Amino acid sequence: EVQLVESGGGLVQPGGSLRLSCAASGFTFSAYWMSWVRQAPGKGLEWVANIKQDGSDKYYVDSVKGRFTISKDNTKNSLYLQMNSLRAEDTAVYYCAREVSEYAFDPWGQGTLVTVSS
Amino acid sequence: SYDLTQPPSVSVSPGQTASITCSGDKLGDKYVCWYQQKSGQSPVLVIYQDNKRPSGIPERFSGSNSGNTATLTISGTQAMDEADYYCQAWDSSTWVFGGGTKVTVL
Repeated sequence: EVQLVESGGGLVQPGGSLRLSCAASGFTFSAYWMSWVRQAPGKGLEWVANIKQDGSDKYYVDSVKGRFTISKDNTKNSLYLQMNSLRAEDTAVYYCAREVSEYAFDPWGQGTLVTVSS
Repeated sequence: SYDLTQPPSVSVSPGQTASITCSGDKLGDKYVCWYQQKSGQSPVLVIYQDNKRPSGIPERFSGSNSGNTATLTISGTQAMDEADYYCQAWDSSTWVFGGGTKVTVL
């Protein structure tokens, strides 16, 4: 079974840092682009970043450029999101998702909640 | 930046057809997919490449995409289809989501 499990969320003060992890299983992790998507409380989905199979290409939404870094470790079947200089508006559930060749995300993890507040 | 526009809400009676639109500039030139998100759950892919259904998705879900508008159609809507639905497309090295449409089955 293809599975994605996020971890690392929590409460952090504005200006602080947090590192999210996503453990993948049930598929050849090194063969897929991977993405992070977030959803603020009561709001819609917002794509955050993605990374190529070998980590050589990365893209970000403008609002996180220079603050967030996406990475992956194919030896550990894991995806990461290093979040620095966090702001209140970064408060959201963060999902990792596998990008399939059909131009879609499938599946999604269960999400991890990040709360930025003093 | 590229924008995808969806109606905030759609209401439908059980057994009837629900249509959810997603509008964007020259959207018909891109692949569009759709996700269903039930309350408190993660999104689930229901349509990819405009009109294809992943395995396990009921036949009552269908999609189309032409011109500036993509449409997700739910035929014979059931109570279990009540959820938020999001369209998605790829543009200029970024993924874009529509704002989401809440489907209420009355």
